[in-house]
Amino acid sequence: KQEVTQIPAALSVPEGENLVLNCSFTDSAIYNLQWFRQDPGKGLTSLLLIQSSQREQTSGRLNASLDKSSGRSTLYIAASQPGDSATYLCAVSNTGNQFYFGTGTSLTVIP
Amino acid sequence: DAGITQSPRHKVTETGTPVTLRCHQTENHRYMYWYRQDPGHGLRLIHYSYGVKDTDKGEVSDGYSVSRSKTEDFLLTLESATSSQTSVYFCAISLIAGEVEFFGPGTRLTVL
Repeated sequence: KQEVTQIPAALSVPEGENLVLNCSFTDSAIYNLQWFRQDPGKGLTSLLLIQSSQREQTSGRLNASLDKSSGRSTLYIAASQPGDSATYLCAVSNTGNQFYFGTGTSLTVIP
Repeated sequence: DAGITQSPRHKVTETGTPVTLRCHQTENHRYMYWYRQDPGHGLRLIHYSYGVKDTDKGEVSDGYSVSRSKTEDFLLTLESATSSQTSVYFCAISLIAGEVEFFGPGTRLTVL
C-alpha cells in the first residue's frame, strides 16, 4: 500500500519568504501526483497536477517538482503572503482512481 | 465555483441508525468519489464511481455502500452507523481518471 508522508506538519514563516513543502511516497510506480490546499472548515482546492512523465509544473507563484526515483515531491511557494495560510496536502495515485493522501502541512504566513 | 454540493452539511445521529449522505454535481463529470477525513489519517477513499451504476471500493469501504442512479448524484449510505464512522466526509468529482478536480464543502457526521 502506498504511504504518503508530509514533513513538517506545521510551518510558520514571515510574509515575503520563499518556502518549500515536502512530500514523500513509498511506491515510485505512480500515475499522478497532485497538490491541494485546504482552508479551515472547507473542502480541498486543487493546485497542481504532475503526471508521472513530468518533472515539474508551475502555476503563478507555485512550482511543484517530482522525482519518482527517490519518491519525493516538493511544492515551492515564492514570496509568501498571509493569504497563503492554509493546509497543503499531497496526494499520489498509483492506478488512476485510488489517491493516497498525506496528512498535510499547516502553513501560517505572518504579516 | 464548481457545481458540487453535499447534503446535509452537519448531522448528529445515534449508533445503529442508517445514514445517507448525498453528493450532487452540475458539471456532468464522469467520476465521483467519497472520502473521509480524520485527524492523523488524512483523506481516505471510501468508494468511487466511474459512471452511472458503476462503482468500486476504495481503501476504507467496510460499513459503507454507495449508489449512483444518475450522473449528477452519488449517495453514500452507512447501513448501521458506528462511532468509528464519526468523521468529515468529502465528495469529489473529476472529468478524467487520475485527477481529482473539485471537492465538495464536506459533511460533518457525528455518531453518538
